Amino acid sequence: DAGVIQSPRHEVTEMGQEVTLRCKPISGHDYLFWYRQTMMRGLELLIYFNNNVPIDDSGMPEDRFSAKMPNASFSTLKIQPSEPRDSAVYFCASSLRRGPLPTDTQYFGPGTRLTVL
Amino acid sequence: AQRVTQPEKLLSVFKGAPVELKCNYSYSGSPELFWYVQYSRQRLQLLLRHISRESIKGFTADLNKGETSFHLKKPFAQEEDSAMYYCALNNPISGGSNYKLTFGKGTLLTVNP
Repeated sequence: DAGVIQSPRHEVTEMGQEVTLRCKPISGHDYLFWYRQTMMRGLELLIYFNNNVPIDDSGMPEDRFSAKMPNASFSTLKIQPSEPRDSAVYFCASSLRRGPLPTDTQYFGPGTRLTVL
Repeated sequence: AQRVTQPEKLLSVFKGAPVELKCNYSYSGSPELFWYVQYSRQRLQLLLRHISRESIKGFTADLNKGETSFHLKKPFAQEEDSAMYYCALNNPISGGSNYKLTFGKGTLLTVNP
């Protein structure tokens, strides 16, 4: 398995443009997470899905951000319109729930480095 | 509210010296804690979890509930240990049927030759 796949790896765009980040989780995993990493705030959870259903989106900064998971093998994070303060590395991670205990390792993708000019 | 604090943004030691990366947490229940590591140009990956009581790459971490700490330690640091280290707290939500990880802001460890 290639692990969690993210695209693009780098994205440079201008303020006001729409940005779409993509993620393919590890096959068979039932949880998918979107994180944002910045120097100031570290690693923040934006939203996560269980079996394609959004469970907790309390970390999504504002309405400009939206995420979807149309099927078990694909998710998108969209920013519209983008702003310079959205510049960060965005990570996708997936995990597999084993039984009732929530002690599951999250497997991270390589990240997408977004720069909004 | 759940919170993970890593007081040091940067930590620099010499090869062969002991290293301790500090992590303190705030959580009302029984905590479940992890250390994740990100080496240069590599993905963020799990290093160890407290429930396993394991030693990975010479690193250990002991949960101290009295001090609400989960410090990461290694007696003799190696250059290849240079990386960004994140402490994370697993906290259940939705009545315990789901969970999420709360990460600290990370500590960048540099091991000098």
